[in-house]
Amino acid sequence: GAVVSQHPSRVICKSGTSVKIECRSLDFQATTMFWYRQFPKQSLMLMATSNEGSKATYEQGVEKDKFLINHASLTLSTLTVTSAHPEDSSFYICSASDRNTEAFFGQGTRLTVV
Amino acid sequence: AQSVAQPEDQVNVAEGNPLTVKCTYSVSGNPYLFWYVQYPNRGLQFLLKYITGDNLVKGSYGFEAEFNKSQTSFHLKKPSALVSDSALYFCAVRDGNSGTYKYIFGTGTRLKVLA
Repeated sequence: GAVVSQHPSRVICKSGTSVKIECRSLDFQATTMFWYRQFPKQSLMLMATSNEGSKATYEQGVEKDKFLINHASLTLSTLTVTSAHPEDSSFYICSASDRNTEAFFGQGTRLTVV
Repeated sequence: AQSVAQPEDQVNVAEGNPLTVKCTYSVSGNPYLFWYVQYPNRGLQFLLKYITGDNLVKGSYGFEAEFNKSQTSFHLKKPSALVSDSALYFCAVRDGNSGTYKYIFGTGTRLKVLA
């Protein structure tokens, strides 16, 4: 299947700093990428849908100024957690899809804010 | 509105026995249905999908799933479980008639295969 690469796999940052997570589709052009957050022993919560060349669509309750999403090309989307707080600590997962395929997922990023 | 239900938080099965992980869905248009597996601290791996055609879908690692329109179900099955199948399994649905690719995931079912 297609490969989606997510980087970094693990990051620790201090409160108040910003962290950028990258999601790349390596062998296909992803018109749409999704960002999810997963709490321990829970399902994936969709945060936002990222469309190449346009603004991301955020789900209800997700702060767009805190979770900045950029989808500048058909192979790259980034999620920046701004002014991180300990409650932002979580597992973040991206997925990429085009119109006719199933979604493919990155390896996930474990964010710990100290 | 789309929704997916996985009624079991955990399923235990002995190695070599058949396994079933249940999933029911609700979608207004044509359902596109998926199963994914997640190992600890990893992303989701695609197992199989139903878009159209034969109701019995075969996927990776010997898994299969049966689409049942009347019962709005898409249960995941495997004839003979392996200890290495122990993981978290997610069912997902997408509305094939809508213009969005948004996936809705179930709450996940933890499968434990006992040696």
